[in-house]
Amino acid sequence: DTAVSQTPKYLVTQMGNDKSIKCEQNLGHDTMYWYKQDSKKFLKIMFSYNNKELIINETVPNRFSPKSPDKAHLNLHINSLELGDSAVYFCASSQADRGSEAFFGQGTRLTVV
Amino acid sequence: AQSVTQPDIHITVSEGASLELRCNYSYGATPYLFWYVQSPGQGLQLLLKYFSGDTLVQGIKGFEAEFKRSQSSFNLRKPSVHWSDAAEYFCAVSGTYKYIFGTGTRLKVLA
Repeated sequence: DTAVSQTPKYLVTQMGNDKSIKCEQNLGHDTMYWYKQDSKKFLKIMFSYNNKELIINETVPNRFSPKSPDKAHLNLHINSLELGDSAVYFCASSQADRGSEAFFGQGTRLTVV
Repeated sequence: AQSVTQPDIHITVSEGASLELRCNYSYGATPYLFWYVQSPGQGLQLLLKYFSGDTLVQGIKGFEAEFKRSQSSFNLRKPSVHWSDAAEYFCAVSGTYKYIFGTGTRLKVLA
């Protein structure tokens, strides 16, 4: 039973399109995250949610809109996709306390052509 | 500002040799530190974590790490590397509702 699952695993789309990535965790965690991993493997926080409330929005363009319908889900919608959005996007979850580790999904490789 | 530095972008070792991956952090309060491993095409898997107590922590797959507050370091070690250890390794510190990652170290293992 996968702890953090995200779909799709691969996404190839044209510039200007709108796409969504879904994430679900079955760990009962309060906090969920979206990270972007660029071509140099650098992991950067995009958003974090705690109990469905947005806590961190790390200077992400407003074309990116996260939505958390409940504590177990955090989806990412991207409007008007650009070439620079090509990356691997990771969903993660954790308990709210700083000493807890984050559990990561398998990632979604987004390619904008 | 909170940050994590991994000075080595690439490291190559022979199978059976020992390994040390370096990590330095900058954090104002007590740091909570993690090492993750990422195999190609996979997500991140936790190897070990430190938040208090014994400064030498044991993890999965035979890895260990030592926290040295005086050097702001949390280096990862393994006495004998296996070919399956080839992967990307990330050191991280937890902040408030986020984890700050280093730039990663890519480990190559020679047969």
